Amino acid sequence: GNSVTQMEGPVTLSEEAFLTINCTYTATGYPSLFWYVQYPGEGLQLLLKATKADDKGSNKGFEATYRKETTSFHLEKGSVQVSDSAVYFCALSDMNSGYALNFGKGTSLLVTP
Amino acid sequence: KAGVTQTPRYLIKTRGQQVTLSCSPISGHRSVSWYQQTPGQGLQFLFEYFSETQRNKGNFPGRFSGRQFSNSRSEMNVSTLELGDSALYLCASSDRRTATENTEAFFGQGTRLTVV
Repeated sequence: GNSVTQMEGPVTLSEEAFLTINCTYTATGYPSLFWYVQYPGEGLQLLLKATKADDKGSNKGFEATYRKETTSFHLEKGSVQVSDSAVYFCALSDMNSGYALNFGKGTSLLVTP
Repeated sequence: KAGVTQTPRYLIKTRGQQVTLSCSPISGHRSVSWYQQTPGQGLQFLFEYFSETQRNKGNFPGRFSGRQFSNSRSEMNVSTLELGDSALYLCASSDRRTATENTEAFFGQGTRLTVV
């Protein structure tokens, strides 16, 4: 079956530091890949997505590239801000699962001034 | 355009009781999915409804059920509540029409259920 593995948190960074959150996946089909963000007390917001191999998703300075050869979709940002403090979830969906989202456990990010 | 609205935001119930949660999707969205979020299990898919029919189902016991109305609003029900049902229940809507489409899901803020 499908699964998503992402690095354990919490991750603590100083403002303007470089961010990488690792995500690898296992899927039987050809999944679409997503990064969602959850701010305290809120639901999930789609941050970026990629639907096929070598696609790069980007939004608000965050980027992730769909790497089929390494089954990875690592999230990166060149310079984090305090406002980026949140929990980040990597997820996949494909036809085999009826396009239900399959999430990783989430990585908590704390950015300090 | 209004987002996905879930009511109530917070709920406290006693073991053995039942509970009903409500979700109003974004206008025009006919697909509604439900997810359970717990610290231990993370985010897990419960079910998806489209045009008043359950289209997809996750691996949850029969105590968890749902329905969708003709205006696309959805409810989920949990009967015979257990302590382990304490969770944040998230609803997501999308404009996905066919079973083979893969479109963006928009999430509500969730209902925090506490079972005591």
